[in-house]
Amino acid sequence: QQQVKQSPQSLIVQKGGISIINCAYENTAFDYFPWYQQFPGKGPALLIAIRPDVSEKKEGRFTISFNKSAKQFSLHIMDSQPGDSATYFCAAMIAGNQFYFGTGTSLTVIP
Amino acid sequence: DTGVSQDPRHKITKRGQNVTFRCDPISEHNRLYWYRQTLGQGPEFLTYFQNEAQLEKSRLLSDRFSAERPKGSFSTLEIQRTEQGDSAMYLCASSDRKGTEAFFGQGTRLTVV
Repeated sequence: QQQVKQSPQSLIVQKGGISIINCAYENTAFDYFPWYQQFPGKGPALLIAIRPDVSEKKEGRFTISFNKSAKQFSLHIMDSQPGDSATYFCAAMIAGNQFYFGTGTSLTVIP
Repeated sequence: DTGVSQDPRHKITKRGQNVTFRCDPISEHNRLYWYRQTLGQGPEFLTYFQNEAQLEKSRLLSDRFSAERPKGSFSTLEIQRTEQGDSAMYLCASSDRKGTEAFFGQGTRLTVV
């Protein structure tokens, strides 16, 4: 079964707008939640990550919001740019073992 | 380039043939992971190594799949008697002992015809 559920499947945002991608999980043993960005023909690249003892983490235009009680976390991309057009994956990990990835969100930023 | 390197980038093979992929991790990383990604899906875990020890294998890894990491350096993933369902992108990643910041290679795209 899908350990991490991601939505939406695709997202179209105007340049300068805010892109929001959501993920939900069930396993409370997960202790690390990264977001990866993937361009066509490339491997995923780590964008930003958070641990469950923190409710928010910001790096530049990228912010993770984490709601432990709801078992949900989201990626916010502020001032979205055409260069942000890519597929984004959320993931979850237990104790440094394997990652469980979401199904991905294809983001298109329109100029 | 000091990132994760995978070879070949693309492989087309006939059904029933054996294929082998290679991954060279970031040199100071002792964890190495193999994932498989099909179109429109997230990467699915196959197996991982801590140095030369294979610590975990997914149920996705059938008997036709084998991975090795001799001397804890590079790793190979072999698929025997390939099937059309094996067509996918095979991704390798490496990380330090904590296993959190994992860096992925560009992948090997396998097409079985």
